[in-house]
Amino acid sequence: AQKITQTQPGMFVQEKEAVTLDCTYDTSDQSYGLFWYKQPSSGEMIFLIYQGSYDEQNATEGRYSLNFQKARKSANLVISASQLGDSAMYFCAMREGEIAYGGATNKLIFGTGTLLAVQP
Amino acid sequence: DGGITQSPKYLFRKEGQNVTLSCEQNLNHDAMYWYRQDPGQGLRLIYYSQIVNDFQKGDIAEGYSVSREKKESFPLTVTSAQKNPTAFYLCASSIGGQGADTQYFGPGTRLTVL
Repeated sequence: AQKITQTQPGMFVQEKEAVTLDCTYDTSDQSYGLFWYKQPSSGEMIFLIYQGSYDEQNATEGRYSLNFQKARKSANLVISASQLGDSAMYFCAMREGEIAYGGATNKLIFGTGTLLAVQP
Repeated sequence: DGGITQSPKYLFRKEGQNVTLSCEQNLNHDAMYWYRQDPGQGLRLIYYSQIVNDFQKGDIAEGYSVSREKKESFPLTVTSAQKNPTAFYLCASSIGGQGADTQYFGPGTRLTVL
C-alpha cells in the first residue's frame, strides 16, 4: 500500500540555522512525484517544492531543498537559514503513477506532518 | 490576482442538516479536489474532478456529494449521512493533464457540527 511516513511530530530550530524534516515513502510504482507543503496556523496549504522520481538532481526552491534518496525511499526537506515565519506544520505528499488526461489521477497521499517551531 | 477562494471561513451547522461549502478558482485549472483534515492528521481526499461534468470518489466519499457544472466551481455538500462532519475542509486545483501537476490550495473552511 502506498504510504507516507513523517516520524517527527515536532521540531525546534534556532533562527538562522538549517533544519531537516524527514519523509519516507512506500510505493511499488516506478513513476511518482513527491511534494512538500507548508501549513501555517491560518490553515492554508502552501506548495513549497516538488521532486519527480526520474529527476536526477535534487530539487531546490530558494531556501528549500529536497534531499531525494531514491534507494532509501526518502525525500527529506531541508530549510536553510530558518526564519521565524517558517514556524508551521509541514506535510510531505506523494503522487503515484503517470498522469494521463482522463486516465490516472493526480491523487495525493499525505503524511501526518511535522510541526516546526523556530526560536529567536 | 489568480487564486482559489473558499467560503465561508467558518461554518456551523446543526446535526441532521445538509451544508454546502463553496470553492471557486480563477486559475483556469481543469482539475479540482476536496480534502478533509482532522486534528493531528494529514489530508484525506473526498472527491476530485478532472474535467467539467465529471468527478470521482476519493478515499472518504461517503456522506459527501459534489457537482462540477462550471470549470471555475466545485462545491461540496456535506450531507446528514456523514457521521462525523466536524473538520477542516480544503479545496485544491491543478492544471490537469500530464507532467508535474502541482495542486494549489484554498484557505479552507472549518465546519463545526453543534
